Amino acid sequence: EDQVTQSPEALRLQEGESSSLNCSYTVSGLRGLFWYRQDPGKGPEFLFTLYSAGEEKEKERLKATLTKKESFLHITAPKPEDSATYLCAVQANSGGSNYKLTFGKGTLLTVNP
Amino acid sequence: SQTIHQWPATLVQPVGSPLSLECTVEGTSNPNLYWYRQAAGRGLQLLFYSVGIGQISSEVPQNLSASRPQDRQFILSSKKLLLSDSGFYLCAWRFGTSGGYTFGSGTRLTVV
Repeated sequence: EDQVTQSPEALRLQEGESSSLNCSYTVSGLRGLFWYRQDPGKGPEFLFTLYSAGEEKEKERLKATLTKKESFLHITAPKPEDSATYLCAVQANSGGSNYKLTFGKGTLLTVNP
Repeated sequence: SQTIHQWPATLVQPVGSPLSLECTVEGTSNPNLYWYRQAAGRGLQLLFYSVGIGQISSEVPQNLSASRPQDRQFILSSKKLLLSDSGFYLCAWRFGTSGGYTFGSGTRLTVV
């Protein structure tokens, strides 16, 4: 069974204080690892897809990296508007054409001004 | 451009009442469609997915059912709601070749 564990559950940062969120995964053949941002009361918003170990993706203050066992979402000099829940999900090769995603519980990030 | 519509945004229903949540996608054809539920303190749980009209796969035995009467329409239903059906319901479709999803805005269901 595919599993995704995110840590920490919650993270409080001061504006400008860089940090990283962790996503550890167990999957029978990784097809892709996905990062989403979710604001309160809204649906998740797609951020990145990573496919193979060593791959990196960047978007503004966010950078996602991938190893064979985990992924990190690095947040550089965060701003209050970066406050949200960040979700990690994996997709297994064994899924065939269904492309099911297995999600972690998320990390609630709060950035104080 | 592709868009996904989900309604209603909020719903308060008594125990034992029926449920129907609708999701429609525009700007694409034959999409993979998904229903997820997000309960407090839990991650997104896959309930149903569909790879085509009339094709429904269930992931979790429960009090809910799903149907796909048209290519871009996905419906989540229940004949009799339970308190445990409360949660945030999200519809999603798979975009492009990356395997990633676009999610709808969600329905907050409270069963009282």
